[in-house]
Order: sequence, then C-alpha cells, then structure tokens
Amino acid sequence: GAVVSQHPSWVICKSGTSVKIECRSLDFQATTMFWYRQFPKQSLMLMATSNEGSKATYEQGVEKDKFLINHASLTLSTLTVTSAHPEDSSFYICSARVLTGEETQYFGPGTRLLVL
Amino acid sequence: KQEVTQIPAALSVPEGENLVLNCSFTDSAIYNLQWFRQDPGKGLTSLLLIQSSQREQTSGRLNASLDKSSGRSTLYIAASQPGDSATYLCAVRPHTGFQKLVFGTGTRLLVSP
Repeated sequence: GAVVSQHPSWVICKSGTSVKIECRSLDFQATTMFWYRQFPKQSLMLMATSNEGSKATYEQGVEKDKFLINHASLTLSTLTVTSAHPEDSSFYICSARVLTGEETQYFGPGTRLLVL
Repeated sequence: KQEVTQIPAALSVPEGENLVLNCSFTDSAIYNLQWFRQDPGKGLTSLLLIQSSQREQTSGRLNASLDKSSGRSTLYIAASQPGDSATYLCAVRPHTGFQKLVFGTGTRLLVSP
C-alpha cells in the first residue's frame, strides 16, 4: 500500500517554543491531507483538513493560529504547533487521501510531542 | 452528529480463541466503514474497508460485517495469536462531510500465549 511518513517521530520541547511536524506521501500524490490528535487511551480526533495549495479547514474548537498547517505540495504537509504548552502534549497523526474507487486514507506513523 | 462507539473497551483472551469486536454508529447514512489496527505508540494500519452497499469483507483470519440499517459492524478474529495484540479502531465515513472519518473509541486487545 501507499506509504506516509512523519518527521520527527518524537519531540520534546520547552513550553513556549514552536514545533514543526512534517508529513510526506512517499509514493503517491495526496491532494488532501488530514491532521489528527490522539490523547492517551483515547481515539483520534480530526484537527484539520488541508488541500494542496489552499487554506486548511479546521474542526470546531481547534485554534488555527496555534496549529498552523501548510500544504505547499502534493507530497508534503506541515503542522506547526506555535508557542507549545504542556496541554499540547499529544500524539499527532497525519493521513493522506488517495483517490481510488474506495476512497482510501493512509496514515503516518505518528509524532509524539512532549512539552515540558 | 455521528458518534461511533466500540465495545468492549478492553479484551484479554488466551491464544487460539475466536473473538468478536463490536462497533456501533448513530447515523446510518454512511459512505463506508473501516477497521484499523494501532500498535502502541504507532500509527494506524488499515485492516478492512466495507462500502455501504456491502455486507462483509474478509482478509485472512479477519472478517468484518456491516449492518448499516442497525448501525453496527463487527470484526471477527479467528484463532487469535499474541501478535494480534493491539488497539482496534473502527471509523465511519459519513455521506455528509464526505472526507471526514469519524473514529470509534477503540478496543484494546491482549492475546496471551
């Protein structure tokens, strides 16, 4: 199947710093990418949907100025957590949409963020 | 608003048992339903995808069924193995908000040798 990578796989940062997470589709072009957040022992919550070349669509309750999403190319989307605080510590997962007859999404391995 | 619930939340079985994981959703107007596996600290691996017009899908020891009218899906795992230990998530794609998967709460499975 299609491969989605994320970098870094984990990051520890001090409160107040900004952290950038990259999501790449390695062997296909993704017109749409999704960013999810998962707290321990909870399910995935969609944060935003990004389409290449346009502004991301954020879910209700997600601060667009805090979670900056850029989808500049068909293979790369980035999520920047600005001025991170301990409550932003979470597991962030990206997903890329493949346009096939079955409407398939492939998920990245996730990025663990710990804000001290 | 679509809500997806999975029961049980956790399940522990000895190796070799057949088991059933349940997923229910509140709005039957779905495009498809997907079962995923998530290992600790890892991303998601797609196991089975069932279109709204289908009743079931099979892959190896896994069989997923869909009863759209009653808002239910089950994932059947035959002859469970320790390597099956993981969290299993179901997700539905609603007809409205076409692109958005709505995830269930997950079932944490532990298969002991």
